[in-house]
Amino acid sequence: RKEVEQDPGPFNVPEGATVAFNCTYSNSASQSFFWYRQDCRKEPKLLMSVYSSGNEDGRFTAQLNRASQYISLLIRDSKLSDSATYLCVVNSGYALNFGKGTSLLVTP
Amino acid sequence: EAGVVQSPRYKIIEKKQPVAFWCNPISGHNTLYWYLQNLGQGPELLIRYENEEAVDDSQLPKDRFSAERLKGVDSTLKIQPAELGDSAVYLCASSLGTGEAQYFGPGTRLLVL
Repeated sequence: RKEVEQDPGPFNVPEGATVAFNCTYSNSASQSFFWYRQDCRKEPKLLMSVYSSGNEDGRFTAQLNRASQYISLLIRDSKLSDSATYLCVVNSGYALNFGKGTSLLVTP
Repeated sequence: EAGVVQSPRYKIIEKKQPVAFWCNPISGHNTLYWYLQNLGQGPELLIRYENEEAVDDSQLPKDRFSAERLKGVDSTLKIQPAELGDSAVYLCASSLGTGEAQYFGPGTRLLVL
């Protein structure tokens, strides 16, 4: 079983829609969690850290469920510019593990 | 503030040739990472440095790959000799410390012919 698993998608949604991605991790001792965004042929860019109490940044909300070992990312009011691959990152303390990414395409 | 700098951005070499990649992390970031990313995959860690010490190199193919971070700032990743399967994007990232958010450079896109 991989350390971090994501649904690769693609998720095709119309502009203005709400979309959610989940990511599961296998190591219950994992300590920190992040969502990154990666555009085609570009490097990953930090979107947001994920805190135990959940956190929000504009249209983006991240949640952590330690009991079920998953994190989620919710995007409200999707924009065309949100089209990208979203990578889940889990730090288990001794290793940094990236998911394969979930592809999002927002259409007009 | 300057981000992570990498060079070259692109490199095309023939198999069995050596190649080197250079990374300059964000100023003040003690932790430096080298990743390999293949198409459709997430980045895979090759090596992590805390200052000048390689603290995690378990995924680095040591028969052909080597890395150094002599003064705890810049780092170089070398492949000798390169194989066809080494074609990928090599990403460098840095963070204030392990477990902190990482910031990536633009990567070096390597093609081995």
